[in-house]
Amino acid sequence: QTVVTQEPSFSVSPGGTVTLTCDLNSGSVSSSHYPIWYQQTPGQTPRTLIYNTNTRSSGVPDRFSGSILGNKAALTITGAQADDECDYYCVVHVGSGIWAFGGGTKLTVL
Amino acid sequence: EVQLVESGGGLVQSGGSLRLSCTASGFRFSSNWMHWVRQAPGKGLVWVSRISPDGSSTTYADSVKGRFTIFRDNAKNTLYLQMNSLRVEDTAMYYCASKSDYTYPFDPWGQGTLVTVSS
Repeated sequence: QTVVTQEPSFSVSPGGTVTLTCDLNSGSVSSSHYPIWYQQTPGQTPRTLIYNTNTRSSGVPDRFSGSILGNKAALTITGAQADDECDYYCVVHVGSGIWAFGGGTKLTVL
Repeated sequence: EVQLVESGGGLVQSGGSLRLSCTASGFRFSSNWMHWVRQAPGKGLVWVSRISPDGSSTTYADSVKGRFTIFRDNAKNTLYLQMNSLRVEDTAMYYCASKSDYTYPFDPWGQGTLVTVSS
């Protein structure tokens, strides 16, 4: 069974930079997995940040960027702000039309 | 306005059935792959199922395979999820989402409909 792993939690200082990652137990994440990153605040539907590895969704500030770092998908937030404090999810295509979400990372800005 | 509106959630006993609906507006529903994603209370997002634009191809997560059926009516711009043999662990908010192809995100999402399965 394919498992997508994210850091359960991360902390960043206001104005700081943080990189969240997305890993596959079956091997490396590449652009062929079409990684997507979502931001979700409590009680709200997910908001698309990054899709197709590194394409920023409309209206998303350029503080958010996506990439492949080593063998993982990565979401980097620069100049962290208080309202960046929420949950972040990656999702990747794992083959045969099946998509898998990571468990999510709870980001704290303090 | 691009919009997806889910309905059909509710309280059901373990072993029971429920059918969810998702009605689309503001975009070309019949051209898009459609997906169901769920989120248990306080937990993460979980992909459930997808269906091709013409309804001929479907895919399911292992956890629901054989119990859930995804289908669509393009004439009514509506997506469905028939859920049978429901289990307590199926309790979640169920979201429908549209996806153009592999290189595009799940977007838009509906507001979700809550399914609660009691023992």
